[in-house]
Amino acid sequence: GAGVSQSPSNKVTEKGKDVELRCDPISGHTALYWYRQSLGQGLEFLIYFQGNSAPDKSGLPSDRFSAERTGGSVSTLTIQRTQQEDSAVYLCASSRTSGTIYEQYFGPGTRLTVT
Amino acid sequence: SQQGEEDPQALSIQEGENATMNCSYKTSINNLQWYRQNSGRGLVHLILIRSNEREKHSGRLRVTLDTSKKSSSLLITASRAADTASYFCATGSNAGNMLTFGGGTRLMVKP
Repeated sequence: GAGVSQSPSNKVTEKGKDVELRCDPISGHTALYWYRQSLGQGLEFLIYFQGNSAPDKSGLPSDRFSAERTGGSVSTLTIQRTQQEDSAVYLCASSRTSGTIYEQYFGPGTRLTVT
Repeated sequence: SQQGEEDPQALSIQEGENATMNCSYKTSINNLQWYRQNSGRGLVHLILIRSNEREKHSGRLRVTLDTSKKSSSLLITASRAADTASYFCATGSNAGNMLTFGGGTRLMVKP
């Protein structure tokens, strides 16, 4: 079956511009996660969605970062007024549910470069 | 911030040899997972071990978990050149549903 998909695969943007990154989770997966991976910080959790519950935003590094999940499926991560330190690979993952223990399935990531 | 550290940071072996990677973590967990990453892109789930388990096998992979020492190891037996990748441990806890990742081990298997 189809895995987690992300778009675009690569994005180059100028400092100060806004960007939107998209994630399509595996069908039927109720939990969706965003992580980012950068050279200096490794793999970091950003935000988590579970069904219709309020998202866990505890990992977002600043108020320039936001995310939404429409209809319990597709998610968009938005970074406003991008900075060079936002350059990283942004990874989306989904899992069957939360509250119990399930493996997370990752997408291929979006490589963001802020110039 | 990262939960723990992986050791070694880099490992180079010959095809056919076994590769052992270690992971340490700091807080209480309910599960630990190992992932593989090729070329800095998507992670592939390898194996999940729960906190009440001590050992798990999957094909050529063997994972151990010692919660008293807050450590885990991943053993890849009879390694192949195709096993060349970065390997990450990730912990989950009752405090939240996100995974906290270690820094990874870069494994190179020479043919």
